Amino acid sequence: ILNVEQSPQSLHVQEGDSTNFTCSFPSSNFYALHWYRWETAKSPEALFVMTLNGDEKKKGRISATLNTKEGYSYLYIKGSQPEDSATYLCAFWSVSNYQLIWGAGTKLIIKP
Amino acid sequence: NAGVTQTPKFQVLKTGQSMTLQCAQDMNHNSMYWYRQDPGMGLRLIYYSASEGTTDKGEVPNGYNVSRLNKREFSLRLESAAPSQTSVYFCASNRLADSTDTQYFGPGTRLTVL
Repeated sequence: ILNVEQSPQSLHVQEGDSTNFTCSFPSSNFYALHWYRWETAKSPEALFVMTLNGDEKKKGRISATLNTKEGYSYLYIKGSQPEDSATYLCAFWSVSNYQLIWGAGTKLIIKP
Repeated sequence: NAGVTQTPKFQVLKTGQSMTLQCAQDMNHNSMYWYRQDPGMGLRLIYYSASEGTTDKGEVPNGYNVSRLNKREFSLRLESAAPSQTSVYFCASNRLADSTDTQYFGPGTRLTVL
């Protein structure tokens, strides 16, 4: 059974502070890792798709790194703002059944 | 473009009742998906349709049926609802069911089965 773990489950961060959280996935048969952002009362929206070991993607103050050999990805948020409050989901592409396997998410709350 | 739309937004059913959740996308996507999301768990795939005319089981298909009515529409049917099916249901679509294509999600349907 493929497992995608995200930690921590939830995180409270002061506005202006930087933060990061982790997605762990199987290190064998890696094809792609996806990051999504899910704001309350909205739909999940794609942030990044990462495919290469050592890849680093950036969108504004949010960036992500990928280590396929050890099976983890970090998502970083620099200078957190209230609008960053959301649940951040990662998903691993499973080649055995051609579908995304999703983590349970990290819920980020930014305190003003 | 409306993107991915779902109806209804909320629904309360009694055990044993049936209902159909509707999903439509206007992005000319080939692939469509139905997920359920429960507290403390990741999105779990119920069924998907890689292309018009095909449907396949996902991780948790029991108690559900689907119909890919045409390229735009993908419906999910609960024939005899059970309390264990209380969940938030998301429909998603993408151009191709491959490893790098991002999925676009609908707003979700919050279903309660009493």
